[in-house]
Amino acid sequence: DADVTQTPRNRITKTGKRIMLECSQTKGHDRMYWYRQDPGLGLRLIYYSFDVKDINKGEISDGYSVSRQAQAKFSLSLESAIPNQTALYFCATSRDYYTGELFFGEGSRLTVL
Amino acid sequence: SQQGEEDPQALSIQEGENATMNCSYKTSINNLQWYRQNSGRGLVHLILIRSNEREKHSGRLRVTLDTSKKSSSLLITASRAADTASYFCATVGSYIPTFGRGTSLIVHP
Repeated sequence: DADVTQTPRNRITKTGKRIMLECSQTKGHDRMYWYRQDPGLGLRLIYYSFDVKDINKGEISDGYSVSRQAQAKFSLSLESAIPNQTALYFCATSRDYYTGELFFGEGSRLTVL
Repeated sequence: SQQGEEDPQALSIQEGENATMNCSYKTSINNLQWYRQNSGRGLVHLILIRSNEREKHSGRLRVTLDTSKKSSSLLITASRAADTASYFCATVGSYIPTFGRGTSLIVHP
């Protein structure tokens, strides 16, 4: 099984719908991240969490919310999806600041019509 | 906004040749990392170089860091068709890894 699992892997939805992307990890890491990838723009940080009680906004948090249900679970929600939220979303984990290495899930491809 | 910027945006070479990608950044960093992404897949960590290091090797990969010029390079020697992927640098300054737009590498058999 993958260390970082994202569900769903693909989702097509309509404008105005609420969408939740889920991430679970078996690495035992405290730090979890949600990134968004758009063609030609690289990865941009949406939200990050350093532990269960710590949630922080990233570069592009507007229109998104998150929930850290447990050390292993970090969910991203789009309360009312819009077409420009069509993108590939990645969850990632890391052990600590000094180690630094991120471990990524396989991504959730979201299409908003 | 992206901290690191890779150059070139795209690189096409023949198998056996070396591939060099560069990353420039703007503010001070604790470390710089390189990642690889096969089309549509998750990113995979390749190598991390700390701000007090100048060069690091891992197999066919060689990474250099010049903090005075705020730049890093990734060299892949003796490239293979399987090296075809996008390569991203990520800078870590204030705790959060920040990614560039990436270099798309195509290695022709």
